[in-house]
Amino acid sequence: KAGVTQTPRYLIKTRGQQVTLSCSPISGHRSVSWYQQTPGQGLQFLFEYFSETQRNKGNFPGRFSGRQFSNSRSEMNVSTLELGDSALYLCASTALAGTYNEQFFGPGTRLTVL
Amino acid sequence: AQKITQTQPGMFVQEKEAVTLDCTYDTSDQSYGLFWYKQPSSGEMIFLIYQGSYDEQNATEGRYSLNFQKARKSANLVISASQLGDSAMYFCAMREGGRDDKIIFGKGTRLHILP
Repeated sequence: KAGVTQTPRYLIKTRGQQVTLSCSPISGHRSVSWYQQTPGQGLQFLFEYFSETQRNKGNFPGRFSGRQFSNSRSEMNVSTLELGDSALYLCASTALAGTYNEQFFGPGTRLTVL
Repeated sequence: AQKITQTQPGMFVQEKEAVTLDCTYDTSDQSYGLFWYKQPSSGEMIFLIYQGSYDEQNATEGRYSLNFQKARKSANLVISASQLGDSAMYFCAMREGGRDDKIIFGKGTRLHILP
């Protein structure tokens, strides 16, 4: 069974631009969560999607948004990029939402904002 | 207030020794889950072990065990017979019950295994 895939793996953008990151969960998994990881703040929860609906949201500004498609693939979008958005963005999938199953993480997308 | 506290930013341990990574948590929920993840330098998060709040036995997975002390709100990870490949960042995480059940991670502990 294929793992969680994230594209692209690396991205360089400039301030003010927008970016879209993609995450394909493990086949059959319906819940996708997104995290931002920075050296200063650690791993911070962005949002979780389940069955195309946002189920939970972290404390990030509205520039961060996401969606989930009917095949459970998810995208997150960051508009008007700031230098502080430089981070590793991780997505994780679970079979169901709100359970204590382990989350399977993808390799991440490393975003650099210049 | 921090919900997951990992007090050891970094640790150096001799190969083959046992290692204990500390984790304390804060929740008023009765139902919750505790997780440990390993993150090598490659960046990918690897699930290690899970403990449910109602589990009476400490969880074990191979060389990993979770020392769960519910009254102290402590969930320490124990790695027996450490190996060079154990060098990585380790994160403790918690998922609470209820509607706001997102997973919260601690700041992590960087473990260095010395040959």
